[in-house]
Amino acid sequence: AQTVTQSQPEMSVQEAETVTLSCTYDTSESNYYLFWYKQPPSRQMILVIRQEAYKQQNATENRFSVNFQKAAKSFSLKISDSQLGDTAMYFCAFVNTGTASKLTFGTGTRLQVTL
Amino acid sequence: NAGVTQTPKFQVLKTGQSMTLQCAQDMNHEYMSWYRQDPGMGLRLIHYSVGAGITDQGEVPNGYNVSRSTTEDFPLRLLSAAPSQTSVYFCASSNIYGYTFGSGTRLTVV
Repeated sequence: AQTVTQSQPEMSVQEAETVTLSCTYDTSESNYYLFWYKQPPSRQMILVIRQEAYKQQNATENRFSVNFQKAAKSFSLKISDSQLGDTAMYFCAFVNTGTASKLTFGTGTRLQVTL
Repeated sequence: NAGVTQTPKFQVLKTGQSMTLQCAQDMNHEYMSWYRQDPGMGLRLIHYSVGAGITDQGEVPNGYNVSRSTTEDFPLRLLSAAPSQTSVYFCASSNIYGYTFGSGTRLTVV
């Protein structure tokens, strides 16, 4: 079974600064996808970024980028130029490409962006 | 652009009552799934389906039933509600390109 670990329950960052959220995972599979989801107080699950395991290049979406280290099974999220609207719960998630209906989530990191 | 429609948004049940959480998607996705979210535990998979007529158990299936008679609908049934089922529930539909989540149901069992 796959596991996803987020070791930072809470983090805080000042507006315009950069913050990195950590995620590690454990799997014996070689083909999989990794995701970061944002959950603001509205409760909606919003996809932030996605990484295919077979791609060596780290995914980037505007101010969000990942550091994907496949050998170390690490998938951290970097948020640059943090904004107040980035305040939310962030979840790291894993899915094996052979079981696309079964996401495994970490326990989440609550990020607070302050003035 | 409905995506995944999940109802109701809020529900209070008494212990022992039954109810059905509805989930419908209009994206023709093969896969659908139900998760529950509890504080400090992330989202955990309850049941999932890889197509109409095919369902299977996830990590925490006890006390819940599902069926998938059509591609679009994937209802979750609580047979006899218990306080331990107080949670936020999410339905999701997916294909190989990604996931779309419903807006969630906050269920309280008293």
